Amino acid sequence: DIVMTQSPDSLAVSLGERATINCKSSQSVLHSSHSKNYLGWYQQKPGQPPKLLIYWASTRKSGVPDRFSGSGSETDFTLTISSLQAEDVAIYYCQQYYTTPWTFGQGTKVEIK
Amino acid sequence: QVQLQESGPGLVKASETLSLTCTVSGGSISNYYWSWIRQPPGKGLEWIGYIYYTGSTNYNPSLKSRVTISIDTSKHQFSLKLSSVTAADTAVYYCARSFDWLSAACYMDVWGTGTTVTVSS
Repeated sequence: DIVMTQSPDSLAVSLGERATINCKSSQSVLHSSHSKNYLGWYQQKPGQPPKLLIYWASTRKSGVPDRFSGSGSETDFTLTISSLQAEDVAIYYCQQYYTTPWTFGQGTKVEIK
Repeated sequence: QVQLQESGPGLVKASETLSLTCTVSGGSISNYYWSWIRQPPGKGLEWIGYIYYTGSTNYNPSLKSRVTISIDTSKHQFSLKLSSVTAADTAVYYCARSFDWLSAACYMDVWGTGTTVTVSS
């Protein structure tokens, strides 16, 4: 199985400041034949299902605010919230869909400082 | 706008079979992959498996011996059966949709609201 490891486990950021979450996979999730990283980012608020924010590592889903961005390739990925808003308080998960079993990171809890 | 809704018993006795259904509304069930994912209380997400609209399946090896996912395209539903449940199977169970990208399933773009299943002794 591909192990997904996120860091940090939690972080507290002031409103309007940048939040950065890292995700490392135990093997590359880059499909070389079409140059796509099979990596998604999800946001989960309390009592709600996960919501897809980013797919193919850096493509923002329609309707997701542009303060959310994804970057990285192969085994190292980053989710950045450029200017944290109150409504961004949530747990964020990365997930690889390169191979089954699909696996998730353990989650990163983002709070307001 | 496609919506998914899980349904099924909220309480299952240990050693019995958990059965859930996900109903797809507002969109097609064809040409997509349909997954089950679970989340134990206070913990992270675990992918259980998926089914293509044609009926082909892919299960997490950690659960494969106990899992069956089936689909009824005429009813716009797909289902999960998990046998021989224990307290460790207590979780919120979600269903989700994935696109077919070059004949493979990819990211999960639509999720159900989830249903809580408690396994009692």
